[in-house]
Amino acid sequence: EAGVAQSPRYKIIEKRQSVAFWCNPISGHATLYWYQQILGQGPKLLIQFQNNGVVDDSQLPKDRFSAERLKGVDSTLKIQPAKLEDSAVYLCASSSRGRGNTEAFFGQGTRLTVV
Amino acid sequence: GQNIDQPTEMTATEGAIVQINCTYQTSGFNGLFWYQQHAGEAPTFLSYNVLDGLEEKGRFSSFLSRSKGYSYLLLKELQMKDSASYLCAVRGPDSWGKFQFGAGTQVVVTP
Repeated sequence: EAGVAQSPRYKIIEKRQSVAFWCNPISGHATLYWYQQILGQGPKLLIQFQNNGVVDDSQLPKDRFSAERLKGVDSTLKIQPAKLEDSAVYLCASSSRGRGNTEAFFGQGTRLTVV
Repeated sequence: GQNIDQPTEMTATEGAIVQINCTYQTSGFNGLFWYQQHAGEAPTFLSYNVLDGLEEKGRFSSFLSRSKGYSYLLLKELQMKDSASYLCAVRGPDSWGKFQFGAGTQVVVTP
């Protein structure tokens, strides 16, 4: 089966600009996660969707970050305006259900550099 | 929430065994996962524990003690390709099963 697809792979923007990332999860996966991974650290959960509803966005900086998952499939994560500290890899993951031994499958990520 | 701790880095020689410890403090628990992440790549799933005890998968084994909030990942017969970051992740008890990750342990395998 096809894995989690993300685009773009790399993005360089200036601070105060806006940027958007796209994610297409594995077909049939109801749960979708966006993580931020700063170099040398573990992934930090930004937002989690169950189908097209948000179930956790407690660590999402809502003044500049937004995300949506229209129709419960694809998702986009947006940053506006970007700051230098947003430089990180943004990972999208999906799982078939939100409980038990169902692991999360990760996409290749988008490496964002803010200059 | 969860507080997950693991060592920053470990070095071992090819053919040896390395044990990566993970301790966690959580208000609820629905499983512990180990992921492997090579530099510049996405994390890939290695193992899952929800009950106490040892789970073995080839050269990799994972152990869990829920009462102690402790897990370890055992890598046997180390190969150069095992050089990577190993991430411990705890799944929360909520109906939506949030994953929280530790900072990762960088394992360096030397010839």
